[in-house]
Amino acid sequence: EILMTQSPAALSVSPGDRATLSCRASQNIGSNLAWYQQKPGQAPRLLIYFASTRATGVPARFSGSGSGTEFTLTISSLQSDDFATYYCQQYNTLITFGQGTRLDIK
Amino acid sequence: VQLLQSGAEVKKPGSSIKVSCETSGDTFNTFSTSGLDWVRQAPGQGLEWVGGIIPFSGKTDYAHKFQGRVTISADESTATAYVELSGLKSEDTAMYYCARVVGSTTSSVLDIWGQGTMVIVSS
Repeated sequence: EILMTQSPAALSVSPGDRATLSCRASQNIGSNLAWYQQKPGQAPRLLIYFASTRATGVPARFSGSGSGTEFTLTISSLQSDDFATYYCQQYNTLITFGQGTRLDIK
Repeated sequence: VQLLQSGAEVKKPGSSIKVSCETSGDTFNTFSTSGLDWVRQAPGQGLEWVGGIIPFSGKTDYAHKFQGRVTISADESTATAYVELSGLKSEDTAMYYCARVVGSTTSSVLDIWGQGTMVIVSS
């Protein structure tokens, strides 16, 4: 099973600042990585797939990068609506999720 | 496309649960070209993939953790997918989500999600 490790577990950032979230795979997954945003009481929402392609309707301030085993989600200028928990997901071999990064308002 | 899941349930340990996920909207394309996966989330915890099905072929894949205890099925006539979990334990208490898979596979991007079904296992 491919293990996905996200860091940090929690991150406090001020509105308007940049947030950088990391995700590491236990083995090479190419670009078969997605990012999801989840707010309390809601289902997850797809943000990024194939490591760097934004899903329909996702603002340009969200960007993804990386390949192989190291991946990054960057939110360039945090808006109040962005404070949520973010999960990475590999789909190279079956599916596994990272444990999530909670993004809090500083 | 919308995924509409069945309502919350409370079950006894050792029993079984079957949760449904009905597709509405672009039903034909979803059931003809996409997979449908199940993901669960225990209270305060992260997302955990349970498994999935490609409805038009009937092919299923399951996470190793659930092998032998889970069955995922689909009824094309009603455009509904199901997940059935047996031998319920308190650790199975979770929100269960169905999600549409992009492409004819069970292992890809999950682009549309159901509203979730809360399952509580308690004596």
